[in-house]
Amino acid sequence: EAQVTQNPRYLITVTGKKLTVTCSQNMNHEYMSWYRQDPGLGLRQIYYSMNVEVTDKGDVPEGYKVSRKEKRNFPLILESPSPNQTSLYFCASSAKTGFGGYTFGSGTRLTVV
Amino acid sequence: GENVEQHPSTLSVQEGDSAVIKCTYSDSASNYFPWYKQELGKRPQLIIDIRSNVGEKKDQRIAVTLNKTAKHFSLHITETQPEDSAVYFCAASRPSSASKIIFGSGTRLSIRP
Repeated sequence: EAQVTQNPRYLITVTGKKLTVTCSQNMNHEYMSWYRQDPGLGLRQIYYSMNVEVTDKGDVPEGYKVSRKEKRNFPLILESPSPNQTSLYFCASSAKTGFGGYTFGSGTRLTVV
Repeated sequence: GENVEQHPSTLSVQEGDSAVIKCTYSDSASNYFPWYKQELGKRPQLIIDIRSNVGEKKDQRIAVTLNKTAKHFSLHITETQPEDSAVYFCAASRPSSASKIIFGSGTRLSIRP
């Protein structure tokens, strides 16, 4: 089954404790992206990647890091999480053509206390 | 950069009536406009999309129209049903920069029985 897999689904952590949210897709998609979703703000792009070793900042990159060492994986790293990073996070991927839109993962609800 | 505005933020319609959600975009180079539906607690899922070389596309009870001159596009849902209750997001992108899909802030659609 074609899918984007995120882990974990839920995470509660403390301020300053480094964490990684994993994302993997099995569709051989070139493009991958991370979004955060907050009430009233819609989906805001954090980082995106157009191919292996090619990443760039989205609209809200502060406090986040990403890497794209393999085509299928695109982990999101929070080096020192803060409470304002409490949010619902989605990983997504799409084919190189762009048409067909993004396929989203099931989301990670992160709470930073 | 691209900006996508979406209205209304909430919409309540009687079951069986039609619902219309409108979006405007700022980047005249955008040429791909997907719509996503997000049910409560679920991931966004693509429901319909339109490319800039067509003015209207229909899929059963949903349709999307695009006015390139005015830079706005709309989602139309006819004969609404309870399962149409969800948050709907419009988006815009240039597939040459497919990773930069910009989303509207979302419309929460409620269907009244």
